[in-house]
Amino acid sequence: AAGVIQSPRHLIKEKRETATLKCYPIPRHDTVYWYQQGPGQDPQFLISFYEKMQSDKGSIPDRFSAQQFSDYHSELNMSSLELGDSALYFCASSAGRGGEGYTFGSGTRLTVV
Amino acid sequence: DAKTTQPPSMDCAEGRAANLPCNHSTISGNEYVYWYRQIHSQGPQYIIHGLKNNETNEMASLIITEDRKSSTLILPHATLRDTAVYYCIVRVAPRRDDKIIFGKGTRLHILP
Repeated sequence: AAGVIQSPRHLIKEKRETATLKCYPIPRHDTVYWYQQGPGQDPQFLISFYEKMQSDKGSIPDRFSAQQFSDYHSELNMSSLELGDSALYFCASSAGRGGEGYTFGSGTRLTVV
Repeated sequence: DAKTTQPPSMDCAEGRAANLPCNHSTISGNEYVYWYRQIHSQGPQYIIHGLKNNETNEMASLIITEDRKSSTLILPHATLRDTAVYYCIVRVAPRRDDKIIFGKGTRLHILP
């Protein structure tokens, strides 16, 4: 079965640079969620989109922005990167049908040097 | 969303049943109990969910107390690959935009 695809898997950026993470949801899933997981931390919700509109917002820094496109894929844009942004970034998608529909990707590991 | 409380860590011998408890004393009538797990640095993986009846699937069983204030996830025959952090989550479902919020899960160590 198709899963949630995230790219790239690994990304190394320097401080103050910009990074773009991509997420391709499971076909027919219309909701995308982004999470950040720092070293030794639990995943923290950043933002979500339903039908290309922002539906909820968590502890996302102002330097970060995201959007969902017409094909339902989503991109997380991060500017003025800081060392503390080094983390695993997970995307999840759902069709709102319950827990088994809420599926996570394998994540993007961002390292800021 | 209702909060959950889980022990920070547990050990279980390989081949034995792993029983992971979760307290959710403030759960509302329309909230479900979900379990996810995260194997090191992988994306969280859905395990099972339930409302008030006990549930079983190919991965695990979920036992919910009659008053719904606590539940237990049971991995019937734990293997080394079950070593992971297990998260008990309470949320309303189905709702299209209802995000999952992770609390402090239980780090399960399966011992050979």
